[in-house]
Amino acid sequence: DQQVKQNSPSLSVQEGRISILNCDYTNSMFDYFLWYKKYPAEGPTFLISISSIKDKNEDGRFTVFLNKSAKHLSLHIVPSQPGDSAVYFCAASGQNTGGFKTIFGAGTRLFVKA
Amino acid sequence: KAGVTQTPRYLIKTRGQQVTLSCSPISGHRSVSWYQQTPGQGLQFLFEYFSETQRNKGNFPGRFSGRQFSNSRSEMNVSTLELGDSALYLCASTWDGRFEQYFGPGTRLTVT
Repeated sequence: DQQVKQNSPSLSVQEGRISILNCDYTNSMFDYFLWYKKYPAEGPTFLISISSIKDKNEDGRFTVFLNKSAKHLSLHIVPSQPGDSAVYFCAASGQNTGGFKTIFGAGTRLFVKA
Repeated sequence: KAGVTQTPRYLIKTRGQQVTLSCSPISGHRSVSWYQQTPGQGLQFLFEYFSETQRNKGNFPGRFSGRQFSNSRSEMNVSTLELGDSALYLCASTWDGRFEQYFGPGTRLTVT
């Protein structure tokens, strides 16, 4: 039962353009959503998050949008840089999901071409 | 501030053996979670410990177990290893009540 889905295994974008990574979830009890970035041979690093009471959170080049009615969130990277090439994981969590537990998607590999 | 450390970084075991992986969280973090990452499967939640107590558990067989010590360091154990246990095992720590987690580099386990 995949409660968090990232349907695009990979995405290729030209440097300077916008990267949009998508994520869908099924459990309406999730109330906090996060994005992590992972480089090879390293653990994931926290990127940005959003609470379910908001619909947008921005941090520099990174913006996360949340559409609760559609159970969908997206990460926008503008402008994309070659150093952004990595695997991006969407994650969902909440105190009401049976304790503190974070569910991750399968990841989307982003390639930013110079 | 030192990050999350995991030992060993790489491990090769044979089927039927058992293995113990170690994780030292960031100082001050009392919540430690373990994840299994396999290609195409993302990060699968194993369990979370807080103050030496398992607070939450994922859908893994009983061969997977863990514990946490009074200094918040944690270990996970896998008994009777199977080929399908080959994966990257990640440990993450955080402050209690916070959702963003800080991950270690992982332990790459290969079962032959």
